[in-house]
Amino acid sequence: NAGVTQTPKFQVLKTGQSMTLQCAQDMNHEYMSWYRQDPGMGLRLIHYSVGAGITDQGEVPNGYNVSRSTTEDFPLRLLSAAPSQTSVYFCASSYGRPSGNTIYFGEGSWLTVV
Amino acid sequence: TQLLEQSPQFLSIQEGENLTVYCNSSSVFSSLQWYRQEPGEGPVLLVTVVTGGEVKKLKRLTFQFGDARKDSSLHITAAQPGDTGLYLCAGNQAGTALIFGKGTTLSVSS
Repeated sequence: NAGVTQTPKFQVLKTGQSMTLQCAQDMNHEYMSWYRQDPGMGLRLIHYSVGAGITDQGEVPNGYNVSRSTTEDFPLRLLSAAPSQTSVYFCASSYGRPSGNTIYFGEGSWLTVV
Repeated sequence: TQLLEQSPQFLSIQEGENLTVYCNSSSVFSSLQWYRQEPGEGPVLLVTVVTGGEVKKLKRLTFQFGDARKDSSLHITAAQPGDTGLYLCAGNQAGTALIFGKGTTLSVSS
């Protein structure tokens, strides 16, 4: 089973460039989310989705866009990359609300903005 | 505002020692989860506690949820080098998103 798949695993961007981090899950999970992890900051929620066509903002949404056109895919777009967006990004999914269900994380995408 | 405070931030111990990691908040959570993360990987769920006062055991790991559902602890008995990693607590309030603590980095040396 693939679980939660993130691509790319590593990426270097120049300031001002745009890119999309891909996330796909094959578990038919309704709930998907994106987190960023920075040293000493833990995991902070960027955006999340409770189902296809529905997205909402998390704690740190500025500079990021998401869409959920299918149940399987939840891409994260950086519109104009900034050095402050250098981070490790994790996509996660669960069958239902995270309070009562196991959340599965991808392996992470390391992004450096220079 | 950090809703979940974890302590200690770093812990370095010898194999065989016991340790406790704390996760505290001034807010009430409907549930609280503990994760373990190894370098280069995503967090992996260890346990979910839901009921105030609940105690769950996972081999040498004991998890407790405070009676008021505002705090939790993780106790490891006879730590082993394989326990090394980042331990994260995460709480759920509104039901749609998890709030994570900053984590405790544990290093167990043989």
